[in-house]
Amino acid sequence: SQTIHQWPATLVQPVGSPLSLECTVEGTSNPNLYWYRQAAGRGLQLLFYSVGIGQISSEVPQNLSASRPQDRQFILSSKKLLLSDSGFYLCAWNRPGVPQHFGDGTRLSIL
Amino acid sequence: GESVGLHLPTLSVQEGDNSIINCAYSNSASDYFIWYKQESGKGPQFIIDIRSNMDKRQGQRVTVLLNKTVKHLSLQIAATQPGDSAVYFCAEIAQGAQKLVFGQGTRLTINP
Repeated sequence: SQTIHQWPATLVQPVGSPLSLECTVEGTSNPNLYWYRQAAGRGLQLLFYSVGIGQISSEVPQNLSASRPQDRQFILSSKKLLLSDSGFYLCAWNRPGVPQHFGDGTRLSIL
Repeated sequence: GESVGLHLPTLSVQEGDNSIINCAYSNSASDYFIWYKQESGKGPQFIIDIRSNMDKRQGQRVTVLLNKTVKHLSLQIAATQPGDSAVYFCAEIAQGAQKLVFGQGTRLTINP
């Protein structure tokens, strides 16, 4: 069966520090991969998605970037975090025509 | 469309009652619809889906209804239990599209 892993679960970072969140999927090949952000009590905002290695689509202009160095690995990064980058970050995967499945998320707090 | 900036509407029901959560969608080209359940501090979990060639689909204690005429989707939960307390999101996608479009979510609270 397929599984998705995100880490870390919780992260506290100072303003201006770099960021790297990692997401990996097991049990499937060539998945579509997604990064979402969710503010407290709000809906899901799509940040990036990828349909293959090295292919990244950005949905909103922001301080973040994404990379897909391997088929089942999706990384969310920032060179310098802002206070507004705080939130709950969710990675998801799917194959075309089937539901997206989400990881357990990373709660990021910027101080 | 996306409503990431809005506060979540809430629905409170008594334990054992049935719940109905509604969702309106805007894209008439959407042909696949999904309901997710998100518990506090966790990622959304898939509950049930439906394709546009159907108007009803049933799972275990859950039923999804699709009315394409008025672009309306609903999730019915039978005999709600405390574990059903969560935020419920609908999502839609058009054939060939890569991105799900999520609804704003509804917070369901079960009263004992």
